[in-house]
Amino acid sequence: SYVLTQPPSVSVAPGQTARIPCGGSDIGSKSVHWFQQRPGQAPRLVVYDDSDRPSGIPERFSGSNSGNTATLTISRVEAGDEADYFCQVWHSLRDHKVFGPGTKVTVL
Amino acid sequence: EVHLVESGGGLVKTGGSLRLSCAASGFTFSSYSLAWVRQAPGKGLEWVSSISRSSLYIYYADSVKGRFTVSRDNAKKSLFLQMNSLRVEDTALYFCVREGDSAKDGGYYFDNWGQGTLLTVSS
Repeated sequence: SYVLTQPPSVSVAPGQTARIPCGGSDIGSKSVHWFQQRPGQAPRLVVYDDSDRPSGIPERFSGSNSGNTATLTISRVEAGDEADYFCQVWHSLRDHKVFGPGTKVTVL
Repeated sequence: EVHLVESGGGLVKTGGSLRLSCAASGFTFSSYSLAWVRQAPGKGLEWVSSISRSSLYIYYADSVKGRFTVSRDNAKKSLFLQMNSLRVEDTALYFCVREGDSAKDGGYYFDNWGQGTLLTVSS
């Protein structure tokens, strides 16, 4: 099966930039989607198809994907961005959806 | 506004059964694939099952295949998950999720989530 990797945690000061990697074999050929989950809340889609944002998601959230790593970038980090972030892809060979293990973003 | 409301969670003994339901509103139900995603306490997200618009295509994670059955009723705008032979490791918050179609690779992403319903399986 297809495996995604993410660092367990990322720490960032307010106003700085957080970069969250999502690793996978030739992930650049897949479409990567990102979810934010604040404590006690349901996940929320923040980036889809590598770099598109759903309506209502701030421009501070952006994504990129190439080679073996996709990256979610949060610019001008705010306290409200503190959450778990999960990447997700579609594993076409088995028609399964796969999630990364998640990265906890801490705002210092 | 899209609304997905799950129900049916509860406490069940190992080997038991339970049926989860999801009531949808705010969108054309029959035009979207749907899914169940679960999250064990303190853990990450795990895709469980997906069902296509007309129920023609149905997929399951290996961890639940043969034990869980997903279905939908487009007339009643409802999604269901019948869970049999439950195990302790099935304990989780179960989310009902709407799927969007990826323009890049023909796959899917989860564009709207319910708040979840909690299943606890005890021995």
